[in-house]
Amino acid sequence: DAKTTQPTSMDCAEGRAANLPCNHSTISGNEYVYWYRQIHSQGPQYIIHGLKNNETNEMASLIITEDRKSSTLILPHATLRDTAVYYCIVRVSYNNNDMRFGAGTRLTVKP
Amino acid sequence: ETGVTQSPTHLIKTRGQQVTLRCSSQSGHNTVSWYQQALGQGPQFIFQYYREEENGRGNFPPRFSGLQFPNYSSELNVNALELDDSALYLCASSLYQRNEKLFFGSGTQLSVL
Repeated sequence: DAKTTQPTSMDCAEGRAANLPCNHSTISGNEYVYWYRQIHSQGPQYIIHGLKNNETNEMASLIITEDRKSSTLILPHATLRDTAVYYCIVRVSYNNNDMRFGAGTRLTVKP
Repeated sequence: ETGVTQSPTHLIKTRGQQVTLRCSSQSGHNTVSWYQQALGQGPQFIFQYYREEENGRGNFPPRFSGLQFPNYSSELNVNALELDDSALYLCASSLYQRNEKLFFGSGTQLSVL
């Protein structure tokens, strides 16, 4: 599975969009980009995933560059409850459940 | 709330002891995975169970073992506990080969003294 690089931490003002970058320059053609987040004292929570097209759901949008070497998770209107560690994971889908969580990005949403 | 429940929430053991952690998967999910999360790190995959058999394993020694029951619930057993086994142990459930979405419980915090 491809390695990912994320900033250690980011801040965002409440109500503004939070844009979390992820670099995955060695991604293979059959590898998907997944995003999970982990709020303090809870288990990770699935957010979104995609292969090459941009994706949107009720939680977030995922923008993947055309060369697929990087992506951005967008939380359109961040709230205080979005404060969490966000993990970007690249892997082949339908593998076993071996999600390779790195250190992630600690997002702090400030009032 | 994911529907995945783990017990106990906290546990204290001493080095050399054995421990059993339990997980009830979300209704309808047939695959259970276990993760270990050390303080300040991301979760690390221990193993996965499907149809009551181990179906994938991470880089963990054999003293980490598991069971899955016919109702898809699961246990994680750790023998000969070491201090470095102190961590948050997370259980995740999913549908087999529909594992883009893992549903995690809140974990069991294990402290080994």
